Amino acid sequence: AQKITQTQPGMFVQEKEAVTLDCTYDTSDQSYGLFWYKQPSSGEMIFLIYQGSYDEQNATEGRYSLNFQKARKSANLVISASQLGDSAMYFCAMRGPPHNKFYFGSGTKLNVKP
Amino acid sequence: SAVISQKPSRDICQRGTSLTIQCQVDSQVTMMFWYRQQPGQSLTLIATANQGSEATYESGFVIDKFPISRPNLTFSTLTVSNMSPEDSSIYLCSVRDQGVRETQYFGPGTRLLVL
Repeated sequence: AQKITQTQPGMFVQEKEAVTLDCTYDTSDQSYGLFWYKQPSSGEMIFLIYQGSYDEQNATEGRYSLNFQKARKSANLVISASQLGDSAMYFCAMRGPPHNKFYFGSGTKLNVKP
Repeated sequence: SAVISQKPSRDICQRGTSLTIQCQVDSQVTMMFWYRQQPGQSLTLIATANQGSEATYESGFVIDKFPISRPNLTFSTLTVSNMSPEDSSIYLCSVRDQGVRETQYFGPGTRLLVL
């Protein structure tokens, strides 16, 4: 069964504007972790931000924030003040059962327009 | 976070040949993983590389095709054997940190094209 769903194959955003990338997840476990990664065209996977299932506050890392809605099982990534260098693939991931495995979504390709 | 390097960064190979990809980490880590990312796709876990024992392979991946070595806590290799064009992918080494978050960090990847 699909554990992580990213419904936006591609997104466009104007430079300096904010953009939200959607991610929903499926688990019956109470303890899990949610992650976002950025993959530029070079291929490297860059860790951006983490949200634990017991964290009461939304995670923030610089221009990245995670809009965590536990009841809806969503973990959307918000990028503020988009920059041209933000153009990349973005993957949502969940660490969960069994064996604390990582599950990756299908990714969203973000294009930042000048 | 751990600093991970991979060699080679990219290669073009002929079908039927084999390629060994090296992954080096700057600190000792318990858990190392190998992923494959086919063109336009998400990441698929090939196997977990265990130090001192055989790797644990995911469904659809077998040791004869993807032999893995893990001689110590900072190094691992993945071999792609008897390659076909379908093996053209990015191969990524990953380690998991041992803190509460258990974040996975990735190497720069090896971009493989099989002709």
